[in-house]
Amino acid sequence: QSALTQPPSVSGSPGQSVTISCIGSSSDVGEYDRVSWFQQPPGTAPKLMIYEVNKRPSGVHVRFSGSKSGNTASLTISGLQAEDEADYYCSSYTSSNTLVFGGGTKLTVL
Amino acid sequence: QMQLHESGPGLVRPSQTLSLTCTVSGGSISSGNYYWNWIRQPAGKGLEWIGRTYATGHANSKPSLESRVTVSADTTKNQFSLRLTSVTAADTAVYYCARGVPFADYFDYWGRGTLVTVSS
Repeated sequence: QSALTQPPSVSGSPGQSVTISCIGSSSDVGEYDRVSWFQQPPGTAPKLMIYEVNKRPSGVHVRFSGSKSGNTASLTISGLQAEDEADYYCSSYTSSNTLVFGGGTKLTVL
Repeated sequence: QMQLHESGPGLVRPSQTLSLTCTVSGGSISSGNYYWNWIRQPAGKGLEWIGRTYATGHANSKPSLESRVTVSADTTKNQFSLRLTSVTAADTAVYYCARGVPFADYFDYWGRGTLVTVSS
């Protein structure tokens, strides 16, 4: 069971859009629409931002959106704001009946 | 509003057993088909799913940790627990408990986390 692959870091200027990728396999991301995304500012617990690939929990801004193509899921943040600066993690259900996280991506707002 | 709160020793000796409890308030762990998870994060590193239990007692864990992990539920206390045996320094991390939503498999409620250090 390998961790999902995310870029270590991404950056963007306020108002721009950024996309974070999450690469899995045909045994997890590619097989199931059970991909979720979490935001984690320093020193805090993760917060659910996206579930089931592209659904937003109540209270999460529409600037956050999710998608999936094949074995790769993506999180897009549009209209970047300073408050979006945080670590972001993807997770997926797997064919082994377990859950797996990505390695995390640090988003820097320039 | 559901809240989860981790508790347990902050320091564990190498080769000993790490034991943590997650107390759930604002809802019953027996309600619905939710499952209850342990997730950890070493300092400066990513999240790692450790294992989960249902209120029924059915549980499973990450294969590489399976031989050392027990996740169990106590419905009378509305708590669930983690036992990790034969710990080493590599088990030093912030440990989170979280609620899992079945069939969609996402974690919607999290505790604030508790730091466990393995050191002599």
